[in-house]
Amino acid sequence: GAVVSQHPSWVICKSGTSVKIECRSLDFQATTMFWYRQFPKQSLMLMATSNEGSKATYEQGVEKDKFLINHASLTLSTLTVTSAHPEDSSFYICSARPGQDPYSNQPQHFGDGTRLSIL
Amino acid sequence: AQTVTQSQPEMSVQEAETVTLSCTYDTSENNYYLFWYKQPPSRQMILVIRQEAYKQQNATENRFSVNFQKAAKSFSLKISDSQLGDTAMYFCAFTSYNNNDMRFGAGTRLTVKP
Repeated sequence: GAVVSQHPSWVICKSGTSVKIECRSLDFQATTMFWYRQFPKQSLMLMATSNEGSKATYEQGVEKDKFLINHASLTLSTLTVTSAHPEDSSFYICSARPGQDPYSNQPQHFGDGTRLSIL
Repeated sequence: AQTVTQSQPEMSVQEAETVTLSCTYDTSENNYYLFWYKQPPSRQMILVIRQEAYKQQNATENRFSVNFQKAAKSFSLKISDSQLGDTAMYFCAFTSYNNNDMRFGAGTRLTVKP
């Protein structure tokens, strides 16, 4: 149980295009999902917290207009990298916490990540 | 702000032996959770073990156990009978009960040698 599906797993696109990444909780509902960015050989850095039915909360230094987050249902959050440039190339990982309590003590379950390469 | 520190960038261990990975954290919160995640080369994040701060008993999961020292803000992971499949990056992580996001340490790259 507690499976999180992230799609696509790998995307290559030209500079200036927008890329949408989906994060789905397959067998549970999640009020809160999280988006992380991971550079090679580095740790996961939280980008934003996605809350169903409300605006996402972004970490300091993360551009809201560059990284658009939508959490339209209890099982789906999307991250759109707008007008992507080579410096946006990275590994993006989402996670979801089961339950509708945003402060649930359930552990986060992670998607398999998306490798984004901007040419 | 909460910070998580893993001071061992790389470690290695012989197969079947025991290894301990260190983690310290800094917080003013009293209620929180600590986790160890494993990230193999596939880059999938796998939960290894978790500990609730209010529990004094150290968590164990088969070959994995923790040494949780709340006063010292230390949370080390012990892997017993190491297996080749344990080779991975290991991240220590912290979640406060009052702030539901998760903070990760820099990670420790563990290599199990045959």
